Amino acid sequence: NAGVTQTPKFQVLKTGQSMTLQCAQDMNHNSMYWYRQDPGMGLRLIYYSASEGTTDKGEVPNGYNVSRLNKREFSLRLESAAPSQTSVYFCASRPLGGQGRTDTQYFGPGTRLTVL
Amino acid sequence: RKEVEQDPGPFNVPEGATVAFNCTYSNSASQSFFWYRQDCRKEPKLLMSVYSSGNEDGRFTAQLNRASQYISLLIRDSKLSDSATYLCVVNLNTGGFKTIFGAGTRLFVKA
Repeated sequence: NAGVTQTPKFQVLKTGQSMTLQCAQDMNHNSMYWYRQDPGMGLRLIYYSASEGTTDKGEVPNGYNVSRLNKREFSLRLESAAPSQTSVYFCASRPLGGQGRTDTQYFGPGTRLTVL
Repeated sequence: RKEVEQDPGPFNVPEGATVAFNCTYSNSASQSFFWYRQDCRKEPKLLMSVYSSGNEDGRFTAQLNRASQYISLLIRDSKLSDSATYLCVVNLNTGGFKTIFGAGTRLFVKA
């Protein structure tokens, strides 16, 4: 299993450009999440999808949109990038409803985004 | 008050030392508990689950005290490779399947 994969690994955008970050998981997990992590800071939840067909806002959703394309894929779109969106973006997935001791989040390797 | 609080550190210890990380949580809907490890510029990775009875995995021991809403992680015989940030993580038993991540405690193990 590849686990959680993210593309691209690195991206540089100019202010105002748009882009979509891709995330896919092959663990048959129900829930998927997008976080951002700024230097020296903790994780902040942008959006999540508890199950296929549903999405909900996290604590920092402004400037982002998401699509749960199917059970495997959850994309994050920046419609008009701003320098404040320079960050590392992590996607995660979680089984949900499974055995409690393993029912937690598993992360992808991240996308490092710089907005000039 | 943050829902999950950790000592930010950093902790600087010599190889072979024993180091303990503490974490407190405030949400009564907290259901399950974990410690994650995050290396510099990498993704967080699950280190171990935390059980009420306490659990051990090699040099790592985790404890949970539900009455005090307190979680701990003990690392014995520290290795250079243990240098990382350790995140305390709590899953809530609420709609939306919320997970709260602590801000992390940075550990530096020196030769």
